[in-house]
Amino acid sequence: DQQVKQNSPSLSVQEGRISILNCDYTNSMFDYFLWYKKYPAEGPTFLISISSIKDKNEDGRFTVFLNKSAKHLSLHIVPSQPGDSAVYFCAARNYGGATNKLIFGTGTLLAVQP
Amino acid sequence: KAGVTQTPRYLIKTRGQQVTLSCSPISGHRSVSWYQQTPGQGLQFLFEYFSETQRNKGNFPGRFSGRQFSNSRSEMNVSTLELGDSALYLCASSGRGLGILQTINNEQFFGPGTRLTVL
Repeated sequence: DQQVKQNSPSLSVQEGRISILNCDYTNSMFDYFLWYKKYPAEGPTFLISISSIKDKNEDGRFTVFLNKSAKHLSLHIVPSQPGDSAVYFCAARNYGGATNKLIFGTGTLLAVQP
Repeated sequence: KAGVTQTPRYLIKTRGQQVTLSCSPISGHRSVSWYQQTPGQGLQFLFEYFSETQRNKGNFPGRFSGRQFSNSRSEMNVSTLELGDSALYLCASSGRGLGILQTINNEQFFGPGTRLTVL
């Protein structure tokens, strides 16, 4: 039962353009969402997060949008840079629960072409 | 601050053997979680420890176990290894305690992982 889904295994964009990575979830108890970036042979690196009480959070070139009614979130990267090429994971957590457990999507491989 | 460290980085074992992986969290962090990453499956939650107590466990067989020491370092053990156990095992530490009144800015920080190959 995949509670967090990233339906696009890969995405290719041109340098300088916008990258939009999508994530859907099914569990309405999730109230905190995170994006991680992962290079090969390294652990995931935290990028940005959003609480369910917000619909947008911005940090530099990265913006996460949350649509609770659609159970959908997206990560926008503007402008995209070749160094952004990596696998991006969406993750969700039941913040109110007594756990730090994260439920991850299967990841989207982003390739930014120079 | 030093990051999360995991040892060893690479490991090759044969079926039926057992393996122990180690994780040292960021100094001051008391929560340690373990994840398994396999191709196509993303990261699957194994278990979580806080103050030497297992607080949560994922859907893995009993061959997977773990523990946490008083200095917050954690180990996970896999007994009777199977070919399907080949994966990247990731450890994450967090400064977040457990309870609804904890601060929000307490993301999980991952180590580089241990790549386990079972032959």
